[in-house]
Amino acid sequence: GIQVEQSPPDLILQEGANSTLRCNFSDSVNNLQWFHQNPWGQLINLFYIPSGTKQNGRLSATTVATERYSLLYISSSQTTDSGVYFCAATRGGGKLIFGQGTELSVKP
Amino acid sequence: DAGVIQSPRHEVTEMGQEVTLRCKPISGHNSLFWYRQTMMRGLELLIYFNNNVPIDDSGMPEDRFSAKMPNASFSTLKIQPSEPRDSAVYFCASSNNEQFFGPGTRLTVL
Repeated sequence: GIQVEQSPPDLILQEGANSTLRCNFSDSVNNLQWFHQNPWGQLINLFYIPSGTKQNGRLSATTVATERYSLLYISSSQTTDSGVYFCAATRGGGKLIFGQGTELSVKP
Repeated sequence: DAGVIQSPRHEVTEMGQEVTLRCKPISGHNSLFWYRQTMMRGLELLIYFNNNVPIDDSGMPEDRFSAKMPNASFSTLKIQPSEPRDSAVYFCASSNNEQFFGPGTRLTVL
């Protein structure tokens, strides 16, 4: 089945810094999502982005389906951005395959 | 829309007891998923339904776990009998294409 790999596994930033998180997937996909799991454990939808580029405030994402990767950009990071960022993809059907996550810590 | 609703939010029980977790998906979504998250194993898919029919239950740990979806607006995940190793956060999610998660049920089995 499809494999999803995220990098880096951990990231520490100073508030105000920018960062890029990467997600590689092993096969073509028809669904790709980015989630943020906050320190309270809630899984928040960031982007539904099987291809192309989307922006939402300080966050943006780009998926290059032909090259099997997606990038999540966080600009001007804030302490509230801390948590774990998951990429998840599916090739067919509803079963999302999750990466192991990137744990982000933003220091004030 | 209220999003995916799960109850209870927290459950503490003793080993051997039956536990029932409940989920109400987002109205109009045709797929429903049950996940379990632990520090050791991360986020695992247990089972998912499409149009109320179980499609893939390969992630269900063992016969002590069962899930039902009697109608489009309700699903249960039951553990009988519960064991301490079942302690985890259990998430329900629903989707048409984009998947949305509920707040989770934190289960502790003593």
